[in-house]
Amino acid sequence: DAGITQSPRYKITETGRQVTLMCHQTWSHSYMFWYRQDLGHGLRLIYYSAAADITDKGEVPDGYVVSRSKTENFPLTLESATRSQTSVYFCASSDFSGDTQYFGPGTRLTVL
Amino acid sequence: SQKIEQNSEALNIQEGKTATLTCNYTNYSPAYLQWYRQDPGRGPVFLLLIRENEKEKRKERLKVTFDTTLKQSLFHITASQPADSATYLCALSNTGNQFYFGTGTSLTVIP
Repeated sequence: DAGITQSPRYKITETGRQVTLMCHQTWSHSYMFWYRQDLGHGLRLIYYSAAADITDKGEVPDGYVVSRSKTENFPLTLESATRSQTSVYFCASSDFSGDTQYFGPGTRLTVL
Repeated sequence: SQKIEQNSEALNIQEGKTATLTCNYTNYSPAYLQWYRQDPGRGPVFLLLIRENEKEKRKERLKVTFDTTLKQSLFHITASQPADSATYLCALSNTGNQFYFGTGTSLTVIP
């Protein structure tokens, strides 16, 4: 199906573990984004990518790693999860114009 | 750093009335401003984009204004319906591809 998907939808992990959240889009959009959403903070940009092999930091990149070897995929890795990374994570994509961002359904991550 | 504020955490209005949501910003000069709708447990859905050289934009029952002097955007939903109940987010950018979001306003339309 066309669109933007995220997996897993729910994840519980422990402090110190590595976790990878997946994002896949079928539109061949140039731009892809990772946000986290927390009460009182709204959506905050973690990393974004303008094209394959091009990534850049957003507002809150510490503790996260991204890669983009293929246009359609943009995985987000928490190398050593901390409790403060408990959040809902949204992936989004947009074409080169940036006029519209299309969001995925989100991944709810709990770090114990 | 930039600061984006959206009016009161929750807004309750009667069905049929016009809902007006506010987005104020400081320490920023955005060239683009977007409005999104978010339902519980789901990702935001794009509604409208307005550029700094546009004063007003409309889409069906939605109207957005953008006042760069006041550093404010107003988002109006006319003839509101219970189905309009959701959280509405504003997002600002000066590049067109990196946006900063407000915390959102929860709107409830009462039948």
